Amino acid sequence: AQSVTQLGSHVSVSEGALVLLRCNYSSSVPPYLFWYVQYPNQGLQLLLKYTSAATLVKGINGFEAEFKKSETSFHLTKPSAHMSDAAEYFCAVRPYNNAGNMLTFGGGTRLMVKP
Amino acid sequence: NAGVTQTPKFQVLKTGQSMTLQCAQDMNHEYMSWYRQDPGMGLRLIHYSVGAGITDQGEVPNGYNVSRSTTEDFPLRLLSAAPSQTSVYFCASSYSGGRGYTFGSGTRLTVV
Repeated sequence: AQSVTQLGSHVSVSEGALVLLRCNYSSSVPPYLFWYVQYPNQGLQLLLKYTSAATLVKGINGFEAEFKKSETSFHLTKPSAHMSDAAEYFCAVRPYNNAGNMLTFGGGTRLMVKP
Repeated sequence: NAGVTQTPKFQVLKTGQSMTLQCAQDMNHEYMSWYRQDPGMGLRLIHYSVGAGITDQGEVPNGYNVSRSTTEDFPLRLLSAAPSQTSVYFCASSYSGGRGYTFGSGTRLTVV
């Protein structure tokens, strides 16, 4: 079964600093990979996705992620954090051959941005 | 606006009560699914559907039922609510092939 590990349930950065949120997956075949953001008391919003095209994926709000097959990783980065980036971030995978088209989520990382 | 609509947004139940969480989408998506969100555990799949009349269990199906009589609707039924079912529930719909998933805004359920 697929599993997704997000290292660090809480990450704190200063405004203007680099944001790095880590995601590793377990799969012998590269899956589809997603990053979602959840603001307080809201639903999930898609930040970006990898579907076997370019390994460096650019998303909304200045975020990007790089798929590294050798490391089974899909880490999320942003060069300069903004206060509005404070939220919870979820990494998710969908196996390449998945009849039900379901997502498996990591446990989430709460990003805090200090002024 | 096109999307996934969940009702109600908030609900408090007593132990043993039953209720139905509603989910509707207007994007003609084939796939629909229900997740529950608990602190530190991300979202876990409860049930999913690959089309009208076809449903299957996910990771945590016990205590929940689903049906899919139309493409648009995918209700989730709690048969006999328990405090362990206190959670935030999200419905999602998608096309196939990982092209994209749209999530509803969630239902916050408390069972006392």
